[in-house]
Amino acid sequence: GDSVTQMEGPVTLSEEAFLTINCTYTATGYPSLFWYVQYPGEGLQLLLKATKADDKGSNKGFEATYRKETTSFHLEKGSVQVSDSAVYFCALSDYTGGGNKLTFGTGTQLKVEL
Amino acid sequence: EAGVAQSPRYKIIEKRQSVAFWCNPISGHATLYWYQQILGQGPKLLIQFQNNGVVDDSQLPKDRFSAERLKGVDSTLKIQPAKLEDSAVYLCASSLDSDSSYEQYFGPGTRLTVT
Repeated sequence: GDSVTQMEGPVTLSEEAFLTINCTYTATGYPSLFWYVQYPGEGLQLLLKATKADDKGSNKGFEATYRKETTSFHLEKGSVQVSDSAVYFCALSDYTGGGNKLTFGTGTQLKVEL
Repeated sequence: EAGVAQSPRYKIIEKRQSVAFWCNPISGHATLYWYQQILGQGPKLLIQFQNNGVVDDSQLPKDRFSAERLKGVDSTLKIQPAKLEDSAVYLCASSLDSDSSYEQYFGPGTRLTVT
C-alpha cells in the first residue's frame, strides 16, 4: 500500500538558518504530493503541492520538488523565521478506486529559535 | 468564507461509553473526509463521502465506528463502545470534489480522551 516516510523531529534551528525536511514515498500509481503545516493550536493547512514529476510546489518561501526517480518530495526553505515553528506533514494522494484519501507521514516538528 | 466546523472541540469519556462528533463542511463541498490522528502519528483516513454516498470506508472499524452524511451536507461520526485506543484527534475535512487537484480543507478537530 501507499506510505510516506519523513524525518523524525524535533528539528531545532536558529532564525535565518536553512531548512530541509526529508520525505520519501511509496505508491502504486502516480500520486500527487503535498506538504501540510499545523501551527500550534490550529488545524492542518495546505502549504504546497505538486501533481506530477519534476513539478515544484512553492509557498511562503518554502519549496519542494517532486522527484519520481528518487520517490522524494523534500521540503526546503532558505531562511526560517520563528513564526515557521510548527509541525510539518508530508502526504500523498493516489486517486484510485474513486477515493482521494491523503496518506500522511508521521510529521516533523520544527522549532526556530532567535 | 467560513471554514470546516467541528464540535465538540474536546471530549472525555470512559471506556465502553458512546460518543458522537459533528462536522459541517465548507458550503458547496461535495466531498467530506473523517481522519483519525493518534498522538505522534499522521492523520489516517477513516471514511470518505461523496455527497451522501460512501466512497471509501476500508479503514473504519465498523464493529464500533459509524458515520453518516445525511442530505450530503453535515456529517456525524459515532463510536460505540469506545476503547482506550480510540483516544485521538478526529479531523473532518472537505473538498470541492474528489479529484486530488482539489485541496482538502481541515477543521480544528475534536480531541477525544477515553479513560
